[in-house]
Amino acid sequence: KAGVTQTPRYLIKTRGQQVTLSCSPISGHRSVSWYQQTPGQGLQFLFEYFSETQRNKGNFPGRFSGRQFSNSRSEMNVSTLELGDSALYLCASSLIGQGSGYTFGSGTRLTVV
Amino acid sequence: GESVGLHLPTLSVQEGDNSIINCAYSNSASDYFIWYKQESGKGPQFIIDIRSNMDKRQGQRVTVLLNKTVKHLSLQIAATQPGDSAVYFCAENAGGTSYGKLTFGQGTILTVHP
Repeated sequence: KAGVTQTPRYLIKTRGQQVTLSCSPISGHRSVSWYQQTPGQGLQFLFEYFSETQRNKGNFPGRFSGRQFSNSRSEMNVSTLELGDSALYLCASSLIGQGSGYTFGSGTRLTVV
Repeated sequence: GESVGLHLPTLSVQEGDNSIINCAYSNSASDYFIWYKQESGKGPQFIIDIRSNMDKRQGQRVTVLLNKTVKHLSLQIAATQPGDSAVYFCAENAGGTSYGKLTFGQGTILTVHP
């Protein structure tokens, strides 16, 4: 079966711009989580969506937001980009967002210049 | 406080050796523990998991050990191969209302020499 698909794979944006990243989960998975991976901070949890509702949120500023559609696809948006937002953004899908059954996509590499 | 940068531990082994990667976790309430492998340009790939009511679990060439007394997790890879070279992360999930949230360790770089 198809894995988790993230688009685009690479993005270059300018400070102050906004960006939208997309994640298509494995068919049947209703939970989508987002993570930021940087050399300095490692992998950090951003938020989780299930049935179009945000159920959990990490410690990131309000510039980071997301949403989930009725087909479980999810998007995350970062507004007013800063240089420090340069990172690999990963999404993970799972059936119900509990336990250990998380499958990650290959990520979107965002570079802010 | 904030870390200036992560300096990942490294483990260098010869092909055919057994590898042991260690991880300390902090949340005594964590219910699920998972090991992931991340290769360059890819997302983390599931290797094996263990639940908090177990202390050992075996998979194909891999074994995970959980010591809740000292909050320590280890991954043993038997007969390590060059294809095992990657960054390995432990992750924990507290269950309950920790929906979708995995807390990751800093990672260990494993290099396997032919």
